[in-house]
Amino acid sequence: EIVLTQSPGTLSLSPGERATLYCRASQSVSSSYLAWYHLKPGQAPRLLIYGASNRATGIPDRFSGSGSGTDFTLTISRLEPEDFAVYYCQQYGSSPFTFGQGTRLEIK
Amino acid sequence: EVQLSESGGGLVQPGGSLRLSCAASGFSFSNFAMSWVRQTPGKGLEWVSGVSGSGGNTYYTDSVKGRFTISRDNSKNTLYLQMNSLRAEDTAVYYCVKGGCSSPSCSFDYWGQGNPVTVSS
Repeated sequence: EIVLTQSPGTLSLSPGERATLYCRASQSVSSSYLAWYHLKPGQAPRLLIYGASNRATGIPDRFSGSGSGTDFTLTISRLEPEDFAVYYCQQYGSSPFTFGQGTRLEIK
Repeated sequence: EVQLSESGGGLVQPGGSLRLSCAASGFSFSNFAMSWVRQTPGKGLEWVSGVSGSGGNTYYTDSVKGRFTISRDNSKNTLYLQMNSLRAEDTAVYYCVKGGCSSPSCSFDYWGQGNPVTVSS
């Protein structure tokens, strides 16, 4: 089983700032099958990035993903109020398709 | 518009059974893999099980193998999760999720609203 470790656990920033979230895998993620989601209270999770660097439909370009192998990054270039949420990375290259433990992005 | 509507959750005693259903619409159901993902306050998101578009291949996380069975009826555009021998640690909100391709090795591009399952005496 591939274990995903996200850092930091909590990130406190202000609107307009840049956010960088990290996801490290215990072994290489095949074909960069790595996705990012965010989860807001009372809502279903939403896909942001797939294939490590591809934005999902309707996702604004302030969101970007990068990385390969075992190290991946999600960057939000300029935070909007609606971006404050919990973010999860997930690998879907080998079963079980594991999630990281999440990073909470909160307003400073 | 893609819609995923879950049903069948609720309160069940330890050792009991429940069957979750997910009615899908707005896409060609048989062309896409489907999964169940659960969310608990303590453990965040956990992928539980997945099935290929044809239904011929199924996948499970270790903690539910032998207790849960995923299936789909492509004629009814419906996904199922039969949960037996339920434990307190299965308590969670269960999401029906659509994969982006026919193989389970795809990201999850649409999620249902979630269906709470509580296992307690």
